[in-house]
Amino acid sequence: QVQLVQSGAEVKKPGASVKVSCKASGYKFTGYFIHWVRQAPGHGLEWMGRINPKSGGATYAQKFQGRVIMTTDTSSNTIYMEVSRLRFDDTAIYYCARENWFDPWGQGTLVTVSS
Amino acid sequence: DIVMTQTPLSLSVTPGQPASISCKSSQSLLHSDGKTYLYWYLQKPGQPPQLLIYEVSNRFSGVPDRFSGSGSGTDFTLKLSRVEADDVGLYSCMQSLQLPYTFGQGTKLEIK
Repeated sequence: QVQLVQSGAEVKKPGASVKVSCKASGYKFTGYFIHWVRQAPGHGLEWMGRINPKSGGATYAQKFQGRVIMTTDTSSNTIYMEVSRLRFDDTAIYYCARENWFDPWGQGTLVTVSS
Repeated sequence: DIVMTQTPLSLSVTPGQPASISCKSSQSLLHSDGKTYLYWYLQKPGQPPQLLIYEVSNRFSGVPDRFSGSGSGTDFTLKLSRVEADDVGLYSCMQSLQLPYTFGQGTKLEIK
């Protein structure tokens, strides 16, 4: 079945970087964009950006430009998202989701930024 | 950016009763291809969001027919004909007409 499996929870200090992975299976990896969405505690969903797994081209929400990098590894059907210069308010669950229609979603990766 | 505004932000419903959530966009979500790019998701506690409705009114595979979506242009509605205990969670609308994709604030549904 179509599935996105994300890497495990992370705890980072302010100013550090975190890299979250999203491994796809059950479909043609290069056929669909992958999006990243985050949800801070008690908040709604926030779109961060998307990547074309075939070309590696990515588009980021303006808020995250310069601080987020999305990459792809077609040899392992895995998408990566790295967030640098972490702040306390980056504490959130980060999800990957497949276009079209944002189905399926990964199970989520909790990133906690704490000193 | 297209702003998505949901109302209400919270909803407390007795099982068996109907519920309705509104989602308004700051500009029309109708594309030149004739499709309207408005989606509804439900995030049950402790789970990732799941797709309920795509392109305004199409129920996704496996979604009970108690759920229905309607609307056009900038005004959209998700309706639950009879709320069940399993329907609790955060309901969010999303537009994918243009980048950046944007979500509504979310509506938290609880059972009375």
